[in-house]
Amino acid sequence: QSVLTQPPSVSGAPGQRVTISCAGSSSNLGAGYDVHWFQQFPGTAPKLLISGNINRPSGVPDRFSGSKSGTSASLAITGLQAEDEADYYCQSYDTSLSALVFGGGTKLTVL
Amino acid sequence: QLQLQESGPGLVKPSETLSLTCTVSGDSVSSRYYYWGWIRQPPGKGLEWIGSIFYTGTAYYNPSLKSRVTISVDTSKNHFSLKLSSVTAADTAVYYCARDLGAVAGIYDYWGQGSLLTVSS
Repeated sequence: QSVLTQPPSVSGAPGQRVTISCAGSSSNLGAGYDVHWFQQFPGTAPKLLISGNINRPSGVPDRFSGSKSGTSASLAITGLQAEDEADYYCQSYDTSLSALVFGGGTKLTVL
Repeated sequence: QLQLQESGPGLVKPSETLSLTCTVSGDSVSSRYYYWGWIRQPPGKGLEWIGSIFYTGTAYYNPSLKSRVTISVDTSKNHFSLKLSSVTAADTAVYYCARDLGAVAGIYDYWGQGSLLTVSS
C-alpha cells in the first residue's frame, strides 16, 4: 500500500480528456514536496513525463499537463491517443518514511 | 546521448547477495549536478525506490531496505553498483538504474533498460 494513492485504472475514448489523481498527505505532497509523473509501456523503463509538479521535459507533448494543490496532484491528458495507453506513476518524497515514494500506478486504457 | 546499462547475474539463490552494476556512457558519474539511483519493479507490480548516490560516495537508502543495501560508485570506471544481501523471493524484480536531476529528488530523466533478477534455488 503506497502512501501516494492512485486509481488502479482509468479509460477514455480517443480525443477525450482524462485525469489521473495522486492523493498524498501532510508528510509528502502536503509538506511541499514536488510530484513527478512517469509513463511506462509494457516491458520498458519508465519515462519522465512531468517534473516539479508542472514541468514537461523536452519532447513531451503539451497534451500532458500536471497540477498540484495541497495534498493531491493530477496528471491530465487531453486529445487522448491510442499511443497514450500505458501505466502512469506519480512520485514524491515522504518525510515520515524518509524515502522517495511512488504511487501504485494507474493503467490508462484508450477505448 | 546519455545511456545507462545495468548488468547482473540474472539469477540469485535465496540468502545470497545480489550484485548489480550500472555503467554510464555519455555523461560522468562524477558530475556534481546529478545523483544516481536504483529503482526496482517486481513482476506485475509498481515501482520501489531502493536508494541514491552522489559521486562523493554519499548514499541514501530506502529505510525499508537499508539494513540489506549498499550502493557504491566507482568514478574511474564511470559506474555505480548495488548490493542487496540476504535476498528472498520477494526481491525478484526488474532493477533499474537512473539519473536523478536533483539531490534525491526523484527526477529520473534517464533510465537503463532494466535487469531482471530472479531469486530462486
